[in-house]
Amino acid sequence: DQQVKQNSPSLSVQEGRISILNCDYTNSMFDYFLWYKKYPAEGPTFLISISSIKDKNEDGRFTVFLNKSAKHLSLHIVPSQPGDSAVYFCAATANAGGTSYGKLTFGQGTILTVHP
Amino acid sequence: DGGITQSPKYLFRKEGQNVTLSCEQNLNHDAMYWYRQDPGQGLRLIYYSQIVNDFQKGDIAEGYSVSREKKESFPLTVTSAQKNPTAFYLCASKVTGLSNTEAFFGQGTRLTVV
Repeated sequence: DQQVKQNSPSLSVQEGRISILNCDYTNSMFDYFLWYKKYPAEGPTFLISISSIKDKNEDGRFTVFLNKSAKHLSLHIVPSQPGDSAVYFCAATANAGGTSYGKLTFGQGTILTVHP
Repeated sequence: DGGITQSPKYLFRKEGQNVTLSCEQNLNHDAMYWYRQDPGQGLRLIYYSQIVNDFQKGDIAEGYSVSREKKESFPLTVTSAQKNPTAFYLCASKVTGLSNTEAFFGQGTRLTVV
């Protein structure tokens, strides 16, 4: 049962344009969502997160939007740069109630390629 | 510099052997996690630990074992019972399991069965 899904395996964008990466989830207990960036043969690095009490969080070129009713979140990168080319993972956790112990459930990842 | 260190970066195992992957953190984090990455499947949780001397099975614990004797260390043993051990293994840590904070990852260990 895939509780976090990233349905687009890859995305190609021109430098300077917007990149939009999407993520859907099924578990209504998830209350904290994160995006990680990963290069081959390296560990993921944290990009941005959002709590379920918000619908938007912005950090520089990165903005995450959360639509709880649709169980959907998206990561917007504006403007996209060639250095943004990597695999992006969406992750979710259910902290309320104290039973998840910070366990992250990951999507399959989306390969973003930004062309100069 | 604070961080998480995984070693070795590459590891080769013969069929039927047990191998141990090291994970050390100096971030003073209570919670530690082991994930496995396979192509097209994202990261899946193997084991996690909230405090010293306590750990819990994740989604794919069969064929693996862990220990948490020190706060800084959370080694993972891949036993001969693990049917398909070739993968990229990632260790992570977090301040505590209950907070809305991010998990920090090590650089990973690539395990290959030969």
